[in-house]
Amino acid sequence: GDSVTQMEGPVTLSEEAFLTINCTYTATGYPSLFWYVQYPGEGLQLLLKATKADDKGSNKGFEATYRKETTSFHLEKGSVQVSDSAVYFCALRSGGSNYKLTFGKGTLLTVNP
Amino acid sequence: DTEVTQTPKHLVMGMTNKKSLKCEQHMGHRAMYWYKQKAKKPPELMFVYSYEKLSINESVPSRFSPECPNSSLLNLHLHALQPEDSALYLCASSRVSGSDEQYFGPGTRLTVT
Repeated sequence: GDSVTQMEGPVTLSEEAFLTINCTYTATGYPSLFWYVQYPGEGLQLLLKATKADDKGSNKGFEATYRKETTSFHLEKGSVQVSDSAVYFCALRSGGSNYKLTFGKGTLLTVNP
Repeated sequence: DTEVTQTPKHLVMGMTNKKSLKCEQHMGHRAMYWYKQKAKKPPELMFVYSYEKLSINESVPSRFSPECPNSSLLNLHLHALQPEDSALYLCASSRVSGSDEQYFGPGTRLTVT
């Protein structure tokens, strides 16, 4: 079945540091890949997505590239801010009529001033 | 408008109570979802509605009863819950397509006493 593995953290960085959160997946066919962010006490917000190999999703300075050869979708940001402190979830959705999102366990990021 | 709204924001109920959670979206999405999220865990899928019909029930206990009165509205009726059902309940919606992202509401924080 489908699965997502991401580094569990917690990750603690200083402001303006470089961020990488690793995510690898196992899926049948050609899934769509997503990063969601959850701020404390809130629901999930879609951060970025990629639907086919070599696509790069980007939003708010975050980027991730769909790498089919390494089955990876690592999240990166060049310079984090305190406001980026949140839990980040990598997720996949297999194609066709399958509505299920398969999530990784989440990575807690804390950015200190 | 890319918003999914949920009411109430917080709910405290006893084990003999009956209550309902409400979710609404006006994005024209024809798939709607209920998720349960425990602290420090990813969301777990409970139910999926597609074109107002229940298409997925992830073996959820019958004390949770979903209802989709129309294409914009999704309810979750609660009866005789247990303390371990305390969690954040998230609603989401999407277009009916394998690659489309799900948009999440802010959630209802449920406490069962």
